[in-house]
Amino acid sequence: GQNIDQPTEMTATEGAIVQINCTYQTSGFNGLFWYQQHAGEAPTFLSYNVLDGLEEKGRFSSFLSRSKGYSYLLLKELQMKDSASYLCAVMDSNYQLIWGAGTKLIIKP
Amino acid sequence: GAVVSQHPSRVICKSGTSVKIECRSLDFQATTMFWYRQFPKKSLMLMATSNEGSKATYEQGVEKDKFLINHASLTLSTLTVTSAHPEDSSFYICSAKAGSEYEQYFGPGTRLTVT
Repeated sequence: GQNIDQPTEMTATEGAIVQINCTYQTSGFNGLFWYQQHAGEAPTFLSYNVLDGLEEKGRFSSFLSRSKGYSYLLLKELQMKDSASYLCAVMDSNYQLIWGAGTKLIIKP
Repeated sequence: GAVVSQHPSRVICKSGTSVKIECRSLDFQATTMFWYRQFPKKSLMLMATSNEGSKATYEQGVEKDKFLINHASLTLSTLTVTSAHPEDSSFYICSAKAGSEYEQYFGPGTRLTVT
């Protein structure tokens, strides 16, 4: 079966760095996405990785290792507004998104 | 960036009635639209995929006669929840993508409450 695993909840301090991990087992791979979702709102796109390595975009970076079925989202200089759920999703061989359950990130002052 | 709207944002209806939710791509042509359902503190659950002008493809376990999807144009898809029951109460989110692009653009979601 297809499976996406990510931690349920993480807590970090304002101004610090946090890494949210995602491991996956899917039938085929056509890229991995990270989305941010605030409570009661729709997800917003953060990043897309299809090749191994690190993609940096401002305070957010995303890493992919296809051989390990592993990705992480790195958030630097955390701000209170970064408190949200972060969803990892993999596009499988049918170009469908398989979603993880999301990681709720709590930022403390 | 691409914008997707959803209407209504919130709806309360009585059990047994039907509710229609609209999803529109405002500044691009959406060849494919997706309908998701999300329960509190849970991930998105894909309900169906619709391509413009053809019948929607429903995921296993999703009743196509209960959740009617129409993708009549390149900018509009509708989801109709027929004979709604309290267990249909949920957050419904649509997304759209253009052609072979990989990115899906999400609508703001519709909170449905069935009393």
